[in-house]
Amino acid sequence: AQSVSQHNHHVILSEAASLELGCNYSYGGTVNLFWYVQYPGQHLQLLLKYFSGDPLVKGIKGFEAEFIKSKFSFNLRKPSVQWSDTAEYFCAVRANSGYSTLTFGKGTMLLVSP
Amino acid sequence: GAGVSQSPSNKVTEKGKDVELRCDPISGHTALYWYRQSLGQGLEFLIYFQGNSAPDKSGLPSDRFSAERTGGSVSTLTIQRTQQEDSAVYLCASSRPQGISYNSPLHFGNGTRLTVT
Repeated sequence: AQSVSQHNHHVILSEAASLELGCNYSYGGTVNLFWYVQYPGQHLQLLLKYFSGDPLVKGIKGFEAEFIKSKFSFNLRKPSVQWSDTAEYFCAVRANSGYSTLTFGKGTMLLVSP
Repeated sequence: GAGVSQSPSNKVTEKGKDVELRCDPISGHTALYWYRQSLGQGLEFLIYFQGNSAPDKSGLPSDRFSAERTGGSVSTLTIQRTQQEDSAVYLCASSRPQGISYNSPLHFGNGTRLTVT
């Protein structure tokens, strides 16, 4: 079964700082990778996803993530964060098989101070 | 269009009571997931329904937990003889069919916050 590890439980940044949230997964086969975001008081929503092709994927609100297969990583990045990016971020992995669950990491709480 | 709907939004129950949590997925979504979100534990997978296939129950923490999905649409998560450690937000998500060559992201409901006193 697959598993996901997010390196940081809490990250505090000032506005305009650069962001990188680490995510590593364990699974021997082909995977689909996701980042979900949960803004305060809102439900989880998809930020970006990787299925195949270009390992650098771009999502909403200026976020991007790079799949590095050799490192089993899918780190989330944003060059310049805003106060409105304050949220909890979840990395998720799904084995690319016909019937596979989506496994989430424990999440990283990002607090951006104005 | 309508999203995933969960009810109730909040539930307070006494230890030892049974509770039922309901999820209405997005119309046409054949995949349905239940997750549990608690402080410091992230999102814990509970159960996954995919069409008419047997559900993946591997995430259910004990035999007090069960879920069913009637008619391939509405799902009910039942927790019997609730314990204080069951307190959490229970999230339901649905998606279009999952498979090797076709994938779609999950759409989450707002969750049910369960408090066991």
